[in-house]
Amino acid sequence: GAVVSQHPSRVICKSGTSVKIECRSLDFQATTMFWYRQFPKQSLMLMATSNEGSKATYEQGVEKDKFLINHASLTLSTLTVTSAHPEDSSFYICSASQRWGGTNEKLFFGSGTQLSVL
Amino acid sequence: AQSVTQPDIHITVSEGASLELRCNYSYGATPYLFWYVQSPGQGLQLLLKYFSGDTLVQGIKGFEAEFKRSQSSFNLRKPSVHWSDAAEYFCAFAIQGAQKLVFGQGTRLTINP
Repeated sequence: GAVVSQHPSRVICKSGTSVKIECRSLDFQATTMFWYRQFPKQSLMLMATSNEGSKATYEQGVEKDKFLINHASLTLSTLTVTSAHPEDSSFYICSASQRWGGTNEKLFFGSGTQLSVL
Repeated sequence: AQSVTQPDIHITVSEGASLELRCNYSYGATPYLFWYVQSPGQGLQLLLKYFSGDTLVQGIKGFEAEFKRSQSSFNLRKPSVHWSDAAEYFCAFAIQGAQKLVFGQGTRLTINP
């Protein structure tokens, strides 16, 4: 089956630094990828929708300048948390949409990245 | 507003017992419905989904779910749980034609030996 690889799985950084998280679709082309954020013991909240070759669409309340999303190719989307602060510590998960045959579609999730900002 | 509600935050069952996790959605039409499982520190794995047709859906790992339009529910069931089923379970829906998922709050399942 299709696989989505997300790296790193865990990252610890100092406050004020930037962190980049990668999401790759390994065996299919994903025109659309999604980034979610999960607070401890809470649900996943959609942050943004990333379309290849265009600007990401952010959900209400998500800071575009803090969470930079780039989807430069059909197999890679990146999320950069800029000037990270302790409140940005969270579990970030990406998903990639596989479409075929005009109407078929599946979503595949990465394994997530646990970000801890000290 | 479009939303998914999982009324039970935490459920504990004994190994071998039956399980039902509740999910209710709020949407003007029938959405696409999903159940995902998340093990600690892991991503999400799709258990099953409902798009249309037969309202009783079979999934992986022996799980099934039943869509009940009259109750706006999509409850997950398993006749006999195993210790390895301990995890967080999320119900979600996608608006038909859209790809964005709206997740419920999750239900944490603990299995007693």
